[in-house]
Amino acid sequence: EVQLVESGGGLVQPGGSLTISCVASGFTFSSYWMYWVRQAPGKGLVWISRITNDGSGTNYADSVKGRFTISRDNAKNTLYLQMSNLGAEDTAVYYCARVGCTSTSCKGGDYWGQGTLVTVSS
Amino acid sequence: QSALTQPASVSGSPGQSITISCTGTSNDVGGFNYVSWYQHHPGKAPKLMIYDVSNRPSGVSNRFSGSKSGNTASLTISGLQAEDEADYYCSSYTTSTTWVFGGGTKLTVL
Repeated sequence: EVQLVESGGGLVQPGGSLTISCVASGFTFSSYWMYWVRQAPGKGLVWISRITNDGSGTNYADSVKGRFTISRDNAKNTLYLQMSNLGAEDTAVYYCARVGCTSTSCKGGDYWGQGTLVTVSS
Repeated sequence: QSALTQPASVSGSPGQSITISCTGTSNDVGGFNYVSWYQHHPGKAPKLMIYDVSNRPSGVSNRFSGSKSGNTASLTISGLQAEDEADYYCSSYTTSTTWVFGGGTKLTVL
């Protein structure tokens, strides 16, 4: 059974930093791209970053570019999101998702975690 | 990276059919057949309902169907059931090798 479990969320002060994690199980983690999506309170889902299966390629939404870094440790089956210079607008539930794409099909996020809440407030 | 456009809300009675639209541009919805639809119950993990415009993952009811015309994709739910009440999001791959989501549609089953 595919499982994704996020952790590391919490309360952080404006301007602060935080790293959240996503531990994967039930599939060959090193074979899949992964992405992060967030949902601010009362708002919709917003894609923020993706990483290739070997970690060699990353991409970011303009809203987090230069402040967030996505990475992975395939030996630990773990995806990370390092967040810095956080502002109130970054308050959200952060979801990791497995990207189910091949050369002829792309499911986007085919399995998702339950999310971890990051609150930016003084 | 503008969000895809979805209606904020739709509603229907049990047994009826509803359709949710999702409008993008030629850089996303119109440029690829990689549109997905997600069902999201608050506090839970989003669930993939449709991928590649019209394909259903294993285990998803055939009451859910998808289509696309030009820059607009659509999700149709037939035979509405109470458990279908949720938020629905479309998503598309883009020319920037990123993804973009719609703003979400709240489905109310009357």
